[in-house]
Amino acid sequence: KAGVTQTPRYLIKTRGQQVTLSCSPISGHRSVSWYQQTPGQGLQFLFEYFSETQRNKGNFPGRFSGRQFSNSRSEMNVSTLELGDSALYLCASSPGTTGEQYFGPGTRLTVT
Amino acid sequence: GNSVTQMEGPVTLSEEAFLTINCTYTATGYPSLFWYVQYPGEGLQLLLKATKADDKGSNKGFEATYRKETTSFHLEKGSVQVSDSAVYFCALSVGDSWGKLQFGAGTQVVVTP
Repeated sequence: KAGVTQTPRYLIKTRGQQVTLSCSPISGHRSVSWYQQTPGQGLQFLFEYFSETQRNKGNFPGRFSGRQFSNSRSEMNVSTLELGDSALYLCASSPGTTGEQYFGPGTRLTVT
Repeated sequence: GNSVTQMEGPVTLSEEAFLTINCTYTATGYPSLFWYVQYPGEGLQLLLKATKADDKGSNKGFEATYRKETTSFHLEKGSVQVSDSAVYFCALSVGDSWGKLQFGAGTQVVVTP
């Protein structure tokens, strides 16, 4: 099976702009989770979607949002970008309740 | 709340040395426990998992045992290779929040020839 894919891999944006990141899960996986990875804060959970519904949400401001489509593909959006949003954004998919997640390569976002 | 504590790195070893990375956790309920590995420039790869007390997860020569009495899930490998150089993350998920992983800070391992 193909792994989790994320697009784009690299992105440079300016403060105040918005950005949309895309994630395609492993075929058959209905759960998609998003994480932010930074050197200072480590890996932090953003949100999780299952069958198009947000099941869990982390402690991030409302500028961070996401959605999931009927084919399980997911997008996350960050509006009004700040310098501190520069990070590696990781998407992971899961087959279900076992908890194991399979990660994509990430999208490296740089905000200038 | 739930949390994971890992030993700080970097851990520097010679090839064929024994590796141990300590991981302890705090969780409400009975967590599932995971070790992930991240190679430079890549996403995370699931290394092994354990879903209940006394379970032993193993993969590629790595092992970890779920110890409920000490709330620990230490990662071990008997003989490391240069290719094991990476950052290792301990993580947990709990109950209905199985889609939400709580990660430790990560431990960088450097193996020298």
